[in-house]
Amino acid sequence: SAVISQKPSRDICQRGTSLTIQCQVDSQVTMMFWYRQQPGQSLTLIATANQGSEATYESGFVIDKFPISRPNLTFSTLTVSNMSPEDSSIYLCSVGQASSGNTIYFGEGSWLTVV
Amino acid sequence: DQQVKQNSPSLSVQEGRISILNCDYTNSMFDYFLWYKKYPAEGPTFLISISSIKDKNEDGRFTVFLNKSAKHLSLHIVPSQPGDSAVYFCAASSMGGKLIFGQGTELSVKP
Repeated sequence: SAVISQKPSRDICQRGTSLTIQCQVDSQVTMMFWYRQQPGQSLTLIATANQGSEATYESGFVIDKFPISRPNLTFSTLTVSNMSPEDSSIYLCSVGQASSGNTIYFGEGSWLTVV
Repeated sequence: DQQVKQNSPSLSVQEGRISILNCDYTNSMFDYFLWYKKYPAEGPTFLISISSIKDKNEDGRFTVFLNKSAKHLSLHIVPSQPGDSAVYFCAASSMGGKLIFGQGTELSVKP
C-alpha cells in the first residue's frame, strides 16, 4: 500500500484561527479522502478530494469551514477554519487505488486540540 | 441512522485465546466489508476485508465471517496476543462508495 504522510502530526490551536493539514502520498493514487474522528467517536467522512476540481463534501460539512485542495494525484490539504473547541479531533487523510479495490488506507492522522 | 453498529464498546480476552469482535449492519446494499485496527494517536491500519460474495476470508491469525442473512460480520483473532490490544473498527461500503464505520470495539488482551 502507499505511504501516506500527514503534517502536522499534532498541534494546539487558538480559538478562531485556521490550520492547514497536508497529506503527501508516495505514489499517485486515484482517490483521496479526509476523515475526522472526534474524541470517543467513530470515523466520519468529511469530503472526497478531487484532483483539479472542488471537493465533494458530506452532509454536515461545508467548504467554507473545511476548504480542501488537491492539486495533483499525490498531495492534498485540508484547512480547518475559524476553529472552536468542537473542532478538536483527529483529522485523517486516506487514499484508495483502483488496484486495491474498495480498500482505503489511512495516514497517521493529525491531532488538533483547540483551546 | 447508524448503518454500521459495533454494540460492544470493549472486550477483554486472555492471551492465547480467541477474540471475537462483532459488527452488525442495516443496509442490504453493502457489498464490501473491512476491519481496521487503531492504536491511540495513530491512523487506522487495514486488517482484512470481505466481499459480499464470500462468507469467510482468512489471513494468518485473522478471519472475517460474513452472514448476509443476519447482516452480521465478525472478526476472529486466534491466538490473541497482547500486541493485538487496540480499537477495532468495522466498515462497509456499497458499490465502491464511501466507507461507513462502526463505533469501534476496544480489545484488551491480557498476558
